[in-house]
Amino acid sequence: NAGVMQNPRHLVRRRGQEARLRCSPMKGHSHVYWYRQLPEEGLKFMVYLQKENIIDESGMPKERFSAEFPKEGPSILRIQQVVRGDSAAYFCASSPGGSGLTEAFFGQGTRLTVV
Amino acid sequence: KQEVTQIPAALSVPEGENLVLNCSFTDSAIYNLQWFRQDPGKGLTSLLLIQSSQREQTSGRLNASLDKSSGRSTLYIAASQPGDSATYLCAVHSQNFVFGPGTRLSVLP
Repeated sequence: NAGVMQNPRHLVRRRGQEARLRCSPMKGHSHVYWYRQLPEEGLKFMVYLQKENIIDESGMPKERFSAEFPKEGPSILRIQQVVRGDSAAYFCASSPGGSGLTEAFFGQGTRLTVV
Repeated sequence: KQEVTQIPAALSVPEGENLVLNCSFTDSAIYNLQWFRQDPGKGLTSLLLIQSSQREQTSGRLNASLDKSSGRSTLYIAASQPGDSATYLCAVHSQNFVFGPGTRLSVLP
């Protein structure tokens, strides 16, 4: 089991470009969570998805940010028209189910730099 | 809304000391609580998972306790080593995982 895989590990974008961050959950996991960590700050929840469904997006900015977890393929966090304030580390986690009895496993993160 | 706090924010100790990290949460309706370690510029490594029905979990030199009714968890590290230097995060699992701000630990040789 390769663990939670995130790519790219580092991403540089100019202001106004789009950033696409990918997360492949652990094998057998159908639940994905995305978090953002600003420099010298804690992890802030963004969105919780199951296959083809958004369960909780209460932490997502209303504009420019979107997430999906299709039936096939990785979960994608998309940031349109990036600004300098989007520079952060973005982590995803996966778990086998939403029963609450399960452990979350995190990827190594994607570090986005907006120049 | 669940809020998680951790004290101290930073801790510096000489090698060999036993130490306690504290985590508090405001809503006791949780599924479980996890302790993570994060090294600078790296991802999160899960250390211990405590289900809401459990009181404590142990792994090697680490012991975590949970008092759900009072909204508290502690992480006990025995015989600390320089390799333990990292930021320690607790996360409470309700609808999603809510993280505390972390305790930055430095163990001096």
